Amino acid sequence: AQSVTQPDIHITVSEGASLELRCNYSYGATPYLFWYVQSPGQGLQLLLKYFSGDTLVQGIKGFEAEFKRSQSSFNLRKPSVHWSDAAEYFCAVGASKTSGTYKYIFGTGTRLKVLA
Amino acid sequence: ETGVTQSPTHLIKTRGQQVTLRCSSQSGHNTVSWYQQALGQGPQFIFQYYREEENGRGNFPPRFSGLQFPNYSSELNVNALELDDSALYLCASSLGLAGYNEQFFGPGTRLTVL
Repeated sequence: AQSVTQPDIHITVSEGASLELRCNYSYGATPYLFWYVQSPGQGLQLLLKYFSGDTLVQGIKGFEAEFKRSQSSFNLRKPSVHWSDAAEYFCAVGASKTSGTYKYIFGTGTRLKVLA
Repeated sequence: ETGVTQSPTHLIKTRGQQVTLRCSSQSGHNTVSWYQQALGQGPQFIFQYYREEENGRGNFPPRFSGLQFPNYSSELNVNALELDDSALYLCASSLGLAGYNEQFFGPGTRLTVL
């Protein structure tokens, strides 16, 4: 079955520290992968996406992610976290059906807290 | 270029009532998907509309229904509301069904069922 797992429900880091959020997926074909950020009470903002090609993807706000097919992972990283990065982060895989339906399957999210 | 918009922003209903949520897709986008995000969870796919036809459905009962109009805007209707329907409802539009067509999300409608 197609699924996305984000093993860390909560992560706390100090401002200026590096960050890595984990994401593992289960999908039969080459996946389309996404990372979104959601601030409290807000919608989803796309940070970055992977469709094909270079496995290291650069996104907005200084984020990057690396696709590792052998590990079925798409971990999100940032070298130096800012207080404004505190939010909830969702990993998603784009999943197709033979009917042509294309939907996103989301993980349960990782809530990031940043200490001053 | 106008992004995806949703209305209303917030809504409070009581059990058993019916609700309609609205979504205006991004200019030129012919596909709209609806997601339900319960508190503390990731968004769950409800259904998708492509050129005014339902094109796939997630694990939601028939009391969740929808429409897509000729201008590609969309409605989500929920009948016989239950307490568990309280959630943030997100609409996403895209240009076609192909996987490389990114879905753009609206800000959501927060539904509270009392």
